[in-house]
Parts: sequence; C-alpha cells; structure tokens
Amino acid sequence: EVQVLESGGGLIQPGGSLRLSCAASGFTFSSYAMSWVRQAPGKGLEWVSGISGSGHATYYADSVEGRFTISRDNSKNTVYLQMNSLRAEDTAVYYCAKDFHDFWTWGQGTLVTVSS
Amino acid sequence: EIVLTQSPATLSLSPGERATLSCRASQSVSSYLTWYQQKPGQAPRLLIYDASKRATGIPARFSGSGSGTDFTLTISSLEPEDFAIYYCQQRSNWPPITFGQGTRLEIK
Repeated sequence: EVQVLESGGGLIQPGGSLRLSCAASGFTFSSYAMSWVRQAPGKGLEWVSGISGSGHATYYADSVEGRFTISRDNSKNTVYLQMNSLRAEDTAVYYCAKDFHDFWTWGQGTLVTVSS
Repeated sequence: EIVLTQSPATLSLSPGERATLSCRASQSVSSYLTWYQQKPGQAPRLLIYDASKRATGIPARFSGSGSGTDFTLTISSLEPEDFAIYYCQQRSNWPPITFGQGTRLEIK
C-alpha cells in the first residue's frame, strides 16, 4: 500500500525554525517527485514546494521562497521541509503528497502553529 | 500565476439531487485540471484528473468536463457521504501549482 506519513509539526515562536519529515512506503521512492501542500485553519489548499525524484530540481511558492528548503534522502525514503524565519501566516496543517501535481497520495498532515 | 475561481462558494442541496460545481481559470489550462474532495479532518482525495478522467475507485456518479478555462464537476445523484468541500487544481503552467478556493457542498 502506498503511504506517506508526516511528522515534526508543533508550536514555534515567530522567527523560529522547524523541520518537517515525510516517510514514504509502498512505492519506489526515488522514482517519484514529492510535494508539500499546506492548509491554514479554515482555509483552502496552498501548494508550498516540490522536489524531483533525484532531488536535483526543487520548486517553491513565492510565499516561502528563501525561507523554506525542501530536500530528500532516497536511502531513507524520506522528504523534508526545513522552515526558517517562520511567520504567523505559516500556521497550517502541512501535507506531504506524492508527485509534483495530481496528488494521488496524501499523508494525514502535521500541524504547525507559529505563535508567541 | 494561473488563478482558479470556483463557484458557488457554498451549494446547498438534498440527497438525490444533482450537483454542478464550476471552476474557471484565468487563462487556458488545456485539460490539466484536477478535482479533489475533502471531508473535515481528512486529507483531500483525488476524484478527477485531466478534467474528465475518474480516479480508480471513484463512483460513476462523479464526472468532470471542460477544457481551456471552464470546467465542471457534476455529481449526478448526491449520496450523504458526498457532502464535503471540493477543490480544483491546475498543472498546466507551474510552478506554482494552484488550487481554487473551494466549494462547500452542504446538506439542505
């Protein structure tokens, strides 16, 4: 069964840093791009970032460019989202999803709350 | 950036009725339009891809149509489990991948 499982969310002060992880199973991880999509409380879906299967190509939303970094470790079947200089508006459930688009597989999400 | 506008924001219908949800793109996305369903506390689920192709396991009452800038998700006869929020998403011109703001389908 294809699965992804996020972890690493929590409460963080504005300006702080947090690293999210997404562990994948049930498919050949290195053959697939992976993405992060977030959803602020009571709001819609917002694409955050994507990374190619090799890790050589990365893409970011303007809202996080320069603050967030996506990476992956294909030996561990895991993708990461390093989030720096966090702002209140980054508060959201962060979902990990398989592929660059047409997200067939999603995790259950991990909540990031940025607040003092 | 391609902006997707969904209408209506909220649709109130009864089980057994037909639901028609709209998604309009700010420029052509060809047929690269995907629909998702999201229920409270759950991750989104992919329903329709490439505007009209039903994902595996999705009931036949769900159908998608359209191309270019105007798209429709139709639920032919609403079941109680269909009441949820529906999002469209384009992959024609990315990054960024963009989503519509969602249509809430509620029980009348």
